[in-house]
Amino acid sequence: QQKVQQSPESLIVPEGGMASLNCTSSDRNVDYFWWYRQHSGKSPKMLMSIFSNGEKEEGRFTVHLNKASLHTSLHIRDSQPSDSALYLCAASMDTNTGKLTFGDGTVLTVKP
Amino acid sequence: AQTIHQWPVAEIKAVGSPLSLGCTIKGKSSPNLYWYWQATGGTLQQLFYSITVGQVESVVQLNLSASRPKDDQFILSTEKLLLSHSGFYLCAWSLDNERLFFGHGTKLSVL
Repeated sequence: QQKVQQSPESLIVPEGGMASLNCTSSDRNVDYFWWYRQHSGKSPKMLMSIFSNGEKEEGRFTVHLNKASLHTSLHIRDSQPSDSALYLCAASMDTNTGKLTFGDGTVLTVKP
Repeated sequence: AQTIHQWPVAEIKAVGSPLSLGCTIKGKSSPNLYWYWQATGGTLQQLFYSITVGQVESVVQLNLSASRPKDDQFILSTEKLLLSHSGFYLCAWSLDNERLFFGHGTKLSVL
């Protein structure tokens, strides 16, 4: 069973709107979550990481984490067409090896 | 600043032919290095990781092998390609085992 579940699979938001993406781990050994963005044909680029309960904001991006439910969410406000990409959530379950387990991703499309 | 370089950028190969993909890291000594594979439209899957020269751990068996001949070099190879090997191969290094940085990737098409 997939240990990192992302929802929705795809999301369309209007330019200037708010995009909300979700990610949950089924493994209680998770200690870090990351969000990556991958434009078509390119490699993933790290957006943000979070390991403690609460919220973290960087510019238009906000990440929430609820450690009890192992749920994290990424919110993009004032979405731009350039934000259209595959958003990948990753969970770290083994900091000795640095292994990350990735979800299947959410495809975000921002319509002008 | 650390830089990661992958080669080649893209390959078109025949089924049954050999393959060698490379990755070098500059500006970071003794990095943890990783190979990931992403099928078209698929999720990222870790293939191998290495924490030191000469040591490589396999995560997923895909009829591929990896080697780390130098501290800053990671090689992915196979003697016989399968159609299922097509996809996007990404080399990555980690900082403090907590953040992963990817190279630009190699797009492999097996025909």
